[in-house]
Amino acid sequence: SAVISQKPSRDICQRGTSLTIQCQVDSQVTMMFWYRQQPGQSLTLIATANQGSEATYESGFVIDKFPISRPNLTFSTLTVSNMSPEDSSIYLCSVEEQDREGYTFGSGTRLTVV
Amino acid sequence: RKEVEQDPGPFNVPEGATVAFNCTYSNSASQSFFWYRQDCRKEPKLLMSVYSSGNEDGRFTAQLNRASQYISLLIRDSKLSDSATYLCVVNLAGNQFYFGTGTSLTVIP
Repeated sequence: SAVISQKPSRDICQRGTSLTIQCQVDSQVTMMFWYRQQPGQSLTLIATANQGSEATYESGFVIDKFPISRPNLTFSTLTVSNMSPEDSSIYLCSVEEQDREGYTFGSGTRLTVV
Repeated sequence: RKEVEQDPGPFNVPEGATVAFNCTYSNSASQSFFWYRQDCRKEPKLLMSVYSSGNEDGRFTAQLNRASQYISLLIRDSKLSDSATYLCVVNLAGNQFYFGTGTSLTVIP
């Protein structure tokens, strides 16, 4: 399966600041996604990162708050902007591989906003 | 109503026991189904897909009941290493994947 490197693995940030999370895949993948997993909750899809065009956001998530880049088929970034304590969560990138069912996830970024 | 519902547990079972988890889904148009395993502070990892005919992988058996809209996961001869959270995942169509909140399993020596 694809190997996904996600950085940073964790961070503690001041409210009002922004954090950019990187996701690097060791092979070209068509579909990349960003998820959020809040404490005690399941995974919620934030957006689909589209290569060469604007990301597709799910209900409740907007580009101004979670800008996403996808410059090529192996890399994407998610920025959490103007952070508040409610943004404290685990953020995970995931990819869909052509020859595998289901998704493969990155190791996640554990964000704490203080 | 949630798209996917799971009993959160926790399930605490002794080594060697058989344990089963169920997961219900609300949309009858759901197309594919999966069980993921998530260890503490780790990312979810695909455990197995769930097919209409049922499928088995070693000690793990997954089944789908479309009529009642639920999927199940059976773990036989539980090992300590099976301790984790098991997530039920339902794919409605395309990129619409819905995750359950997970069922926590602890296997006790």
